[in-house]
Amino acid sequence: QQPVQSPQAVILREGEDAVINCSSSKALYSVHWYRQKHGEAPVFLMILLKGGEQKGHDKISASFNEKKQQSSLYLTASQLSYSGTYFCGIRLDQKLVFGQGTRLTINP
Amino acid sequence: GAGVSQSPRYKVAKRGQDVALRCDPISGHVSLFWYQQALGQGPEFLTYFQNEAQLDKSGLPSDRFFAERPEGSVSTLKIQRTQQEDSAVYLCASSQLSGTGRMGEQFFGPGTRLTVL
Repeated sequence: QQPVQSPQAVILREGEDAVINCSSSKALYSVHWYRQKHGEAPVFLMILLKGGEQKGHDKISASFNEKKQQSSLYLTASQLSYSGTYFCGIRLDQKLVFGQGTRLTINP
Repeated sequence: GAGVSQSPRYKVAKRGQDVALRCDPISGHVSLFWYQQALGQGPEFLTYFQNEAQLDKSGLPSDRFFAERPEGSVSTLKIQRTQQEDSAVYLCASSQLSGTGRMGEQFFGPGTRLTVL
């Protein structure tokens, strides 16, 4: 039931782009994206509710493809502050099931 | 308060001890969730409350784990006879919307890091 994220880790230089993928073996109702910095609480980024919907915030956007049962998170012109571990969560009944995370490191 | 708070932030217990972890959700939030996060892993669902009702406890790993939210606000996660495998960060999250409809943004607390020796 746990969604699968890829890649497991990414190292970028500041200003480069990244894509993080989240795939599920079950039909998706919604996908939630969070970012967690070391030793801190996960912080909400966005929720995607409709198939094919794309949402964005600043230079972070995401897409959701119901048919393919996957979501992708796009980070454009990455900043140092984007470093952290990104988790996708899929809704199953009344709970979120999170992926194992993608660790993103941004170097100057 | 301004956000979700948890206490204590760190807890060291000897194997076999009982521990109680507290969560203060954002005022007015209907839904409250507990998660367990092992090192290098994503949060794993433990249990969910809607107001004072515990609607889902399917993630609790054993009957040594017990959670309550008697007045629909503060919640306590209790672990009896702690084992080394219980060592993890325990995260609490609250949400404004009920889980029966849209599942909204979850606001996470800083977590309690439990170490069982």
